Amino acid sequence: DTGVSQNPRHKITKRGQNVTFRCDPISEHNRLYWYRQTLGQGPEFLTYFQNEAQLEKSRLLSDRFSAERPKGSFSTLEIQRTEQGDSAMYLCASLAGTDTQYFGPGTRLTVL
Amino acid sequence: RKEVEQDPGPFNVPEGATVAFNCTYSNSASQSFFWYRQDCRKEPKLLMSVYSSGNEDGRFTAQLNRASQYISLLIRDSKLSDSATYLCVVPTGGFKTIFGAGTRLFVKA
Repeated sequence: DTGVSQNPRHKITKRGQNVTFRCDPISEHNRLYWYRQTLGQGPEFLTYFQNEAQLEKSRLLSDRFSAERPKGSFSTLEIQRTEQGDSAMYLCASLAGTDTQYFGPGTRLTVL
Repeated sequence: RKEVEQDPGPFNVPEGATVAFNCTYSNSASQSFFWYRQDCRKEPKLLMSVYSSGNEDGRFTAQLNRASQYISLLIRDSKLSDSATYLCVVPTGGFKTIFGAGTRLFVKA
């Protein structure tokens, strides 16, 4: 257990529905990443927060994806109008001053 | 060319063997590099950081070749517990972090 928690751990939804995932980082970590991982691939960068500011977002991320970190603590990732291609593991990682990223267990999304 | 490329494997080695993985990167401005380990259905965990020419931690050695833009991971005296996927990680000049697709290792008794 790295100290990073993610909820829910699993989510099954129907195509077209909206889903929201939550990440609670290690409390003193001011930096937070979201990634998406599919089978046989490494984690794919989605977005990065430093405190409450979203400083970078993948150009591959469609407008259906949005992330927030309102108070610089927990973060949420929302996917609107889900598609089958959104099925993946969504990982959150937090870090402080070093570059060591501590990952949460992930949320596995299945879109039917 | 992909930003980070790894030997996909799988590598199947007997216990006690020495095995090496390579990872090439395209961004010559990258300064730091990392190897993460990911067990099946688990989250990635940091194995080693590489900031200069290399790093060694017990049976694991990471080397960096900036001229050829690759890093390698050497595992000596392989254990059954080393079976996992090894991910090469290259931060970009900004805040984006690029993971390779991973190299799968199976160590057999």
